[in-house]
Amino acid sequence: GNSVTQMEGPVTLSEEAFLTINCTYTATGYPSLFWYVQYPGEGLQLLLKATKADDKGSNKGFEATYRKETTSFHLEKGSVQVSDSAVYFCALSDPMGGYSTLTFGKGTMLLVSP
Amino acid sequence: GAVVSQHPSWVICKSGTSVKIECRSLDFQATTMFWYRQFPKQSLMLMATSNEGSKATYEQGVEKDKFLINHASLTLSTLTVTSAHPEDSSFYICSARYSGGPYNEQFFGPGTRLTVL
Repeated sequence: GNSVTQMEGPVTLSEEAFLTINCTYTATGYPSLFWYVQYPGEGLQLLLKATKADDKGSNKGFEATYRKETTSFHLEKGSVQVSDSAVYFCALSDPMGGYSTLTFGKGTMLLVSP
Repeated sequence: GAVVSQHPSWVICKSGTSVKIECRSLDFQATTMFWYRQFPKQSLMLMATSNEGSKATYEQGVEKDKFLINHASLTLSTLTVTSAHPEDSSFYICSARYSGGPYNEQFFGPGTRLTVL
């Protein structure tokens, strides 16, 4: 079956530090990959996505590249801000299931201090 | 665009009562809606998928008689937790996908915090 594995948190950084949150996946086909962000007390917001190998998704300074050879989709940001503190979820949508459902990782909490 | 709302945002109820949670797509027609449950510090667990006008498809282990889902229109789905018990306390999140849009993209509501006393 499909699965998504994320690094465990919390990840604690100082403002302006470099961020990497690792994500690897297992899927039967060629999935679409997503990063979602959840701020405290809120639902999920799509942060970025990539639909095929070597695609790079980017938004709000965050980037992630779809690496088929390593089945990874690591999230990076060059300089984090306090406002980036949230839980980040890596997810995939499987074409074998008609892209009908999302499989989520367990989430990684990011805490950024001033 | 692509905004999904949920109501209520939080609810506290007594054990044994039923609670209804609404999920609405505000600016698009949602052909498919999804209901998730999220435990503290854990991932989202898909409970069921509902298509407008048809019965919901429940994931393995989810009691369909306990969690009633109705997708009565293209903009509204409801989740009713029947005879709620403290173990049903959780954060419930809905999402929606729209016809003609990216087939692999879901738009999420802000969630409903249910506490059963």
